[in-house]
Amino acid sequence: SAVISQKPSRDICQRGTSLTIQCQVDSQVTMMFWYRQQPGQSLTLIATANQGSEATYESGFVIDKFPISRPNLTFSTLTVSNMSPEDSSIYLCSASPDNEQFFGPGTRLTVL
Amino acid sequence: AQSVTQLGSHVSVSEGALVLLRCNYSSSVPPYLFWYVQYPNQGLQLLLKYTTGATLVKGINGFEAEFKKSETSFHLTKPSAHMSDAAEYFCAVSYTTGYSTLTFGKGTMLLVSP
Repeated sequence: SAVISQKPSRDICQRGTSLTIQCQVDSQVTMMFWYRQQPGQSLTLIATANQGSEATYESGFVIDKFPISRPNLTFSTLTVSNMSPEDSSIYLCSASPDNEQFFGPGTRLTVL
Repeated sequence: AQSVTQLGSHVSVSEGALVLLRCNYSSSVPPYLFWYVQYPNQGLQLLLKYTTGATLVKGINGFEAEFKKSETSFHLTKPSAHMSDAAEYFCAVSYTTGYSTLTFGKGTMLLVSP
């Protein structure tokens, strides 16, 4: 199993600014994922982050908007850049040790 | 592309009543299937999963689900609802070994009344 923490748990930001979300796993994992959960919607995969390589983005998500870092096997960050109100969502980090995905508590972002 | 359909954005039951949350998937190949639960202000917790073998899968908190290939369904049930079961439930599917890429349904909010 894996215990995942995220910082911050929530934030309110002004449009045009950027926010970096941190994700920490209590064990070493090869694969980490970032999801977005918009109000009333399901989870949508933003990107997959493997340590030592560039993140792989899903259709509709680009690196300039959502840059991701993966400096080691227990940590990753997601930056939401040049934010607009449409970026208001919950952002969740997950990790996949042992062929099962575990999720962090999420970061609730509100953009004004 | 795979998709997951959860019927009903909200399901209301009385405490002690049967819980039935519906999930259908679209696929031409056998999938791996999951149910997750999300309590308020918390991350997703895995309830149960189907990979191979027995089609009736038992999970935590008394929940179980049955994989029915002919119906492309994976409905979640619990014989007797408890107030603590009130949460949002997500069905998800994966087609890769390692369960790395999950496609989620839109979720069903379970409401339990006394």
